[in-house]
Amino acid sequence: DAGITQSPRHKVTETGTPVTLRCHQTENHRYMYWYRQDPGHGLRLIHYSYGVKDTDKGEVSDGYSVSRSKTEDFLLTLESATSSQTSVYFCAISPAGTGVYQETQYFGPGTRLLVL
Amino acid sequence: KQEVTQIPAALSVPEGENLVLNCSFTDSAIYNLQWFRQDPGKGLTSLLLIQSSQREQTSGRLNASLDKSSGRSTLYIAASQPGDSATYLCAVRRSNSGYALNFGKGTSLLVTP
Repeated sequence: DAGITQSPRHKVTETGTPVTLRCHQTENHRYMYWYRQDPGHGLRLIHYSYGVKDTDKGEVSDGYSVSRSKTEDFLLTLESATSSQTSVYFCAISPAGTGVYQETQYFGPGTRLLVL
Repeated sequence: KQEVTQIPAALSVPEGENLVLNCSFTDSAIYNLQWFRQDPGKGLTSLLLIQSSQREQTSGRLNASLDKSSGRSTLYIAASQPGDSATYLCAVRRSNSGYALNFGKGTSLLVTP
C-alpha cells in the first residue's frame, strides 16, 4: 500500500464547530487530493494540490478549505461543520508525469466524520 | 459533465466463474480510466489504470479493456474466488478537467464458496 495515513480515522463533532482532517504521505508524491464518499453520490473531489502552497477547487468545495505547507501534509478544514458534511473523507496521492504509475491515484484509509 | 455508470449494481456468482463488470461514460474525451476495489469500511485499492491510448491492461486474473469511441470499459475477473468479494469502482479522468476523477457508484460483487 502507498504510504498514506489519515487522522483522525473517526470523529464526531457538533454543528458549527471547525474541524481539520490531516493527510500525511511518505511517498514524496507531488499531487494530493481530498474526496468525500456518500451513498447515492459516490466519490466526489473536494480540493486538490499540485505542489506546496498550490491548491485548486474540485466539484464540491463549498464549506471546505485546504492547506499544504509541506510536501507530505495536506489539511482539509471544515470552517463551520454542518450535518450535510457528514461523510467519509478520503485522501489520495499521485506522482507527477505521464505513465500508468505516474497517473494512478492511491487512496488513504479514510476518515469517518459525523456532524451532529 | 462526465457521467459514469456501472452495471450491474450488484452481482453474486459461485466460486470459479469468470465474470465481467461494466463501466460506461458519457464523454469520450478521457485522459485515463482507473479501476478500484473497495472492501467494506476500507479505502480504495487501485487495480488497473488504462491510458487513453491503450486498449487494455492486465494484472494477474484481472483484465481491463477500454473502448473510448463507445464510452465503455470492462473489468474481466477470471476464476473468481471468495476473496474477490468487494465493491469495484470505475473512475474516469477527463482530458480537460485537471486531475479530478469522476467515479461510478460501483458494482458490489459477492463470490460464494
